[in-house]
Amino acid sequence: EPEVTQTPSHQVTQMGQEVILRCVPISNHLYFYWYRQILGQKVEFLVSFYNNEISEKSEIFDDQFSVERPDGSNFTLKIRSTKLEDSAMYFCASRPPATEKLFFGSGTQLSVL
Amino acid sequence: GNSVTQMEGPVTLSEEAFLTINCTYTATGYPSLFWYVQYPGEGLQLLLKATKADDKGSNKGFEATYRKETTSFHLEKGSVQVSDSAVYFCALSDMGDYKLSFGAGTTVTVRA
Repeated sequence: EPEVTQTPSHQVTQMGQEVILRCVPISNHLYFYWYRQILGQKVEFLVSFYNNEISEKSEIFDDQFSVERPDGSNFTLKIRSTKLEDSAMYFCASRPPATEKLFFGSGTQLSVL
Repeated sequence: GNSVTQMEGPVTLSEEAFLTINCTYTATGYPSLFWYVQYPGEGLQLLLKATKADDKGSNKGFEATYRKETTSFHLEKGSVQVSDSAVYFCALSDMGDYKLSFGAGTTVTVRA
């Protein structure tokens, strides 16, 4: 079965550094999402993306965050200047049209030191 | 706004035991309800769903019934196996945006 692929699986960075989390959605999917889960807390919606633009974003998704689909296959989440509280598991997801079923990647564990 | 509250874990069971994970929700509209499962080292996978009141979702021996009167969607399995060890997430989405609101997840460990 096709999979959503995320890289890296673990990322350690220093506070203030920029990080880019990478995702390869399933090829015929048109809608893309980022979620995150801080340890011990709920999985939280960050942003949805369709037709090369953000459809919706949460209040977590401030100016430090950006998303991009640079080449028609990758879907990236950039954090410009990481904070300690950005440490979390970040999940990418995609879905085809006209279905509620999201397909998730296995996540990137981001640790900000 | 929408929110999901699920039973806190961790839950540890013996093989063949009965499993229940409680989930209740708050929503403004008529949401669809989901259970996602995350096996170790893998992404979240859709386990089952129900899209309207009184619907029952089922998959791999798991069941959950959409109860509008109690705003609940409890997950049950009659006889768990070691391979059911995972983190289980209850979630909802409002039709139209497909954005999921998740519960905190419940870690289930099944011992042989």
